[in-house]
Amino acid sequence: DVKVTQSSRYLVKRTGEKVFLECVQDMDHENMFWYRQDPGLGLRLIYFSYDVKMKEKGDIPEGYSVSREKKERFSLILESASTNQTSMYLCASGAGTGPTGEQFFGPGTRLTVL
Amino acid sequence: AQSVTQLGSHVSVSEGALVLLRCNYSSSVPPYLFWYVQYPNQGLQLLLKYTSAATLVKGINGFEAEFKKSETSFHLTKPSAHMSDAAEYFCAVSPPYGNNRLAFGKGNQVVVIP
Repeated sequence: DVKVTQSSRYLVKRTGEKVFLECVQDMDHENMFWYRQDPGLGLRLIYFSYDVKMKEKGDIPEGYSVSREKKERFSLILESASTNQTSMYLCASGAGTGPTGEQFFGPGTRLTVL
Repeated sequence: AQSVTQLGSHVSVSEGALVLLRCNYSSSVPPYLFWYVQYPNQGLQLLLKYTSAATLVKGINGFEAEFKKSETSFHLTKPSAHMSDAAEYFCAVSPPYGNNRLAFGKGNQVVVIP
């Protein structure tokens, strides 16, 4: 089974702190994604990466950056956390176009910024 | 660009009754289509997917969906709702090429009434 793990299930940070969210997948997938999920808004793509050291902006990249130094690990960075970044953050990975095209999700990190 | 519309953020269904969740998509090319389910405090799990094979797709937990090109729809159904079906359901679309980036609908929160 594909496994996508996220470093924390729950996280509480203060305004202005630098926050790192880590995601690791064990299926050698090329593509990795970071979403935030808010009630009534569904999943919105923040950033994605289709190869090591490659990244592309999603729909809401402002206030975030990412890092992918190794194929299995994709980090989301909040440079200076703000209260409007309180949300559920979901990481996903996918095997490229292939016959499936699906994404596999981690359990999520619920981030609260005070 | 692909997009998905899911109407009705909250859907109530009686236990034993039909579950019907509607999904309409917009795509300039024949799409891949997916339904995901999210149980409380968990990540998303794939229910079923359409990848240009059979138009009627069967998934896990008794769910199925039918791809109708003429109606640009991919509605999800289950003949008889169970209490364990209470969850949030997301429809998603992607092109059959590229880096399997998905566009998600805003989701349907399903409540099952005993």
